[in-house]
Amino acid sequence: DAMVIQNPRYQVTQFGKPVTLSCSQTLNHNVMYWYQQKSSQAPKLLFHYYDKDFNNEADTPDNFQSRRPNTSFCFLDIRSPGLGDAAMYLCATSRAPGTGFEQYFGPGTRLTVT
Amino acid sequence: AQKVTQAQTEISVVEKEDVTLDCVYETRDTTYYLFWYKQPPSGELVFLIRRNSFDEQNEISGRYSWNFQKSTSSFNFTITASQVVDSAVYFCALSEPLGTYKYIFGTGTRLKVLA
Repeated sequence: DAMVIQNPRYQVTQFGKPVTLSCSQTLNHNVMYWYQQKSSQAPKLLFHYYDKDFNNEADTPDNFQSRRPNTSFCFLDIRSPGLGDAAMYLCATSRAPGTGFEQYFGPGTRLTVT
Repeated sequence: AQKVTQAQTEISVVEKEDVTLDCVYETRDTTYYLFWYKQPPSGELVFLIRRNSFDEQNEISGRYSWNFQKSTSSFNFTITASQVVDSAVYFCALSEPLGTYKYIFGTGTRLKVLA
């Protein structure tokens, strides 16, 4: 089945130790998104790619970076995780162009910072 | 500015009861899309429905139905004969202007269906 896959599902890292979360998709969608979701809150968009074009949200901390080496894969790098970065990180994809297309989400990676 | 309001933070119902989740939105665009997503305890957001601004027909899918009313800027979601498996957080979302590929999410409504 076509899907969005995130690895790992659970990640524990130490304060200040870089961590990378990965996302892959078999949907061949042009747009990939990274969201941060904290407990009892709505997902918060960090950035998205339309093909190789990177779009950063204005309030996304510099500590968060992303790479999309090809259509199928996208990575979220947190350079120096703080305790406040503990959250669920959701990857999503959608077709393009236009905003009328639904987003398909992966199962998420729950990040714990110790 | 665009905005989505889900005033109901949490709802509890007993199994087999009907329940309606409210969604009110604000936008100045004439073309826009509305969505509902379900987030069960496992964490993955599951797409339920998309509705564009030109289609005000209500939709029914099994026990789920959606009522879209532009006059009141609402896109409400009803679950008929609720089941324990319906327990989840439900998010309503609005698409931002064409070409930005982004959603505005509501804050979500947590539905608890008790056996």
